[in-house]
Amino acid sequence: AQSVTQLGSHVSVSEGALVLLRCNYSSSVPPYLFWYVQYPNQGLQLLLKYTSAATLVKGINGFEAEFKKSETSFHLTKPSAHMSDAAEYFCAVISNTGNQFYFGTGTSLTVIP
Amino acid sequence: EAQVTQNPRYLITVTGKKLTVTCSQNMNHEYMSWYRQDPGLGLRQIYYSMNVEVTDKGDVPEGYKVSRKEKRNFPLILESPSPNQTSLYFCASSRDRQFIYGYTFGSGTRLTVV
Repeated sequence: AQSVTQLGSHVSVSEGALVLLRCNYSSSVPPYLFWYVQYPNQGLQLLLKYTSAATLVKGINGFEAEFKKSETSFHLTKPSAHMSDAAEYFCAVISNTGNQFYFGTGTSLTVIP
Repeated sequence: EAQVTQNPRYLITVTGKKLTVTCSQNMNHEYMSWYRQDPGLGLRQIYYSMNVEVTDKGDVPEGYKVSRKEKRNFPLILESPSPNQTSLYFCASSRDRQFIYGYTFGSGTRLTVV
């Protein structure tokens, strides 16, 4: 079954430092991949998505992710963390059948002043 | 405004008392789904529906029921809630199962079963 693995359930960075949140997918066929963000007490908001076009995808709020087929990875990065980036981040993928949308277990990002 | 509306936002109930969480979308989306979110487990799909009268089990369907009688509504029914169903629930909808055009989530329903 197609799935995603997020390494690190908690990540802490200093304000202004690089943010790197890791996501690996399991599949032999390049899928559609997504990153979502969940701010405290809110629903999920799409950050960015990979749909087999450019391998470097730019999203909202300065985030970007690079699809690397050789590494089966889709890591999320932001050059400079801001306090407002503190949230839960989820990597997601569409199932092989196309009927389901699978989420990773999430990474909680803390930004230290 | 295009949105998915869930009600209620918060619910505390007792074991065995039937409850329904409503979900409605105003985007004429074909695909709708329910997830539960638990710490350390991410979001897990309970049920999904690809169109009216078409529903399928997700990964954690036990103890839940759904129906899709109208395109806009997709209620989640717990016939006999148990404490292990205490969780944060999200409804979501998409234009189709491609998802690339957007997968819109409701604000969530926090359910506590005592």
